Amino acid sequence: AQTVTQSQPEMSVQEAETVTLSCTYDTSESDYYLFWYKQPPSRQMILVIRQEAYKQQNATENRFSVNFQKAAKSFSLKISDSQLGDAAMYFCAYTKYGGSQGNLIFGKGTKLSVKP
Amino acid sequence: DTAVSQTPKYLVTQMGNDKSIKCEQNLGHDTMYWYKQDSKKFLKIMFSYNNKELIINETVPNRFSPKSPDKAHLNLHINSLELGDSAVYFCASSQAYGTAFSEQYFGPGTRLTVT
Repeated sequence: AQTVTQSQPEMSVQEAETVTLSCTYDTSESDYYLFWYKQPPSRQMILVIRQEAYKQQNATENRFSVNFQKAAKSFSLKISDSQLGDAAMYFCAYTKYGGSQGNLIFGKGTKLSVKP
Repeated sequence: DTAVSQTPKYLVTQMGNDKSIKCEQNLGHDTMYWYKQDSKKFLKIMFSYNNKELIINETVPNRFSPKSPDKAHLNLHINSLELGDSAVYFCASSQAYGTAFSEQYFGPGTRLTVT
């Protein structure tokens, strides 16, 4: 069974600084997608960034970028120039490509605090 | 326009009651999901459903049942509510099932409290 592990329950960063959130996963599949979701206090789940496993290039979305290491099954999220609005729970998630399941498998989340 | 909506957003009820949470999506998506987020913020899939196939997570008690009157709706019925059912329930939808990438859009969540 696929699993997703986030080893940092909580992280803190100073405003304007850079922070990296860690995620590792376990799968026997070769094709899959990885995601980072943000959940602010409003509870809404917001997709931050995604990575297709077949792509070697790391995904970037403005201040958010990932370091995808397929062999190591590692998928970290880097937030540059952190802003107060980045404070939230961040979830790493996995889904298998194709087949019969589009379900997301989530890690347990990392609570990010941003200090002014 | 709200893409995925859930009603109610908050639900407080007593043990033993039966309740339903409604979910509607106006995105024309083929597949809908229910996730449960427990008190420790852990999110776990409960069901995924398209117009042909229901996939049930084997850990979900059979007191929980999804019902889909049409492609735009997937309601969650819960019988004989227990204290452990207290959680936030998220509905989500996506364009297709098991094909190339299709983002899942989440509803705002329903916080269920069983007393």
